[in-house]
Amino acid sequence: GEDVEQSLFLSVREGDSSVINCTYTDSSSTYLYWYKQEPGAGLQLLTYIFSNMDMKQDQRLTVLLNKKDKHLSLRIADTQTGDSAIYFCAESYNQAGTALIFGKGTTLSVSS
Amino acid sequence: ETGVTQTPRHLVMGMTNKKSLKCEQHLGHNAMYWYKQSAKKPLELMFVYNFKEQTENNSVPSRFSPECPNSSHLFLHLHTLQPEDSALYLCASSRLSGGRNTEAFFGQGTRLTVV
Repeated sequence: GEDVEQSLFLSVREGDSSVINCTYTDSSSTYLYWYKQEPGAGLQLLTYIFSNMDMKQDQRLTVLLNKKDKHLSLRIADTQTGDSAIYFCAESYNQAGTALIFGKGTTLSVSS
Repeated sequence: ETGVTQTPRHLVMGMTNKKSLKCEQHLGHNAMYWYKQSAKKPLELMFVYNFKEQTENNSVPSRFSPECPNSSHLFLHLHTLQPEDSALYLCASSRLSGGRNTEAFFGQGTRLTVV
């Protein structure tokens, strides 16, 4: 079945770059997503990438997609303490993109 | 504020109670979803509604009963729940365009505790 894997924890110093990695199994996924969840809050869409793209940049965020290896990464430049949260990778497993399957989330801890 | 509002934020219920979770979106979206987030597990998709019609039921037990009276409101009716149903229940909405969906916006969730 479909599966999305992420490492569970990442710890970085303020000002460094953070790279959160994700692997997925469904090669027919049209879109892949990164969501952020702060304590006590719902999920906030950070960015998404269409499957025919290799890279997408949005301010401090860079998403890299390697379709051959089914590997997705999120790079956060100049990481701040406010970036501390859980980051979820997700892929859509139906054509319409209405059904998302999520990884377990990577907890990013930023120390000053 | 994502435009998706869930109430209540917290709910404690006994196993014999009947309660309902409510979700409302103000984004003009036409698809709505219920997800379950349990500790140390991935988010699980429960139900999908497109244009008020249920299109996905991810093998959810019948003690969870969704209702979508219009494209702006979604309910999850709960009865005779089990303690293992305690979790954060997240509602989301999105816009389907040309049969495709690009992003879902999530509410803040209802933290449910079954005692």
